[in-house]
Amino acid sequence: KAGVTQTPRYLIKTRGQQVTLSCSPISGHRSVSWYQQTPGQGLQFLFEYFSETQRNKGNFPGRFSGRQFSNSRSEMNVSTLELGDSALYLCASSLLGGDYEQYFGPGTRLTVT
Amino acid sequence: ILNVEQSPQSLHVQEGDSTNFTCSFPSSNFYALHWYRWETAKSPEALFVMTLNGDEKKKGRISATLNTKEGYSYLYIKGSQPEDSATYLCALAANNDYKLSFGAGTTVTVRA
Repeated sequence: KAGVTQTPRYLIKTRGQQVTLSCSPISGHRSVSWYQQTPGQGLQFLFEYFSETQRNKGNFPGRFSGRQFSNSRSEMNVSTLELGDSALYLCASSLLGGDYEQYFGPGTRLTVT
Repeated sequence: ILNVEQSPQSLHVQEGDSTNFTCSFPSSNFYALHWYRWETAKSPEALFVMTLNGDEKKKGRISATLNTKEGYSYLYIKGSQPEDSATYLCALAANNDYKLSFGAGTTVTVRA
């Protein structure tokens, strides 16, 4: 069974640009969550999608958005990038979310210069 | 924002020794407590998902207990091996709102 995949793995962008990250969940998993990890901050929840619906969103500005497609693949978008957006972005898939364990992808390392 | 705390932040263990560490969380609106192991250069890997007060789970030499009334969970590693070196994360799901609030982690280093 293929694991969670994320593309791209590494990305360098300039302040003010926008970026789109992609996540393909494990086959059959319908829940996809996104997290941001910065040094000293731990994993911060961005949002969770299930069957193309956002069920919850973390405390991030509106520049962070996401969506999920009918095949459960998910994308997150960050517009007007700031230096502070430099981070590791992880997505995780789960059968249904909640009390089901999450399976994490390898992450996308975003550097904003 | 749910305050999930893990202690200690880091610990060093001699190979063969056993160790344990704590995850504390607000007990109100508890739904589930997750434990993950995150090794360097890898993705976080699920260890346990616990939902019932008094629950105990075990995977090999690693086990966990849960007290939802007082809001804590312990993770135990028995007979630590170098491959146990990792950051161990706990995460709280409250109200079944599909959001996991992670602690900062406990980084375990096992010395041979």
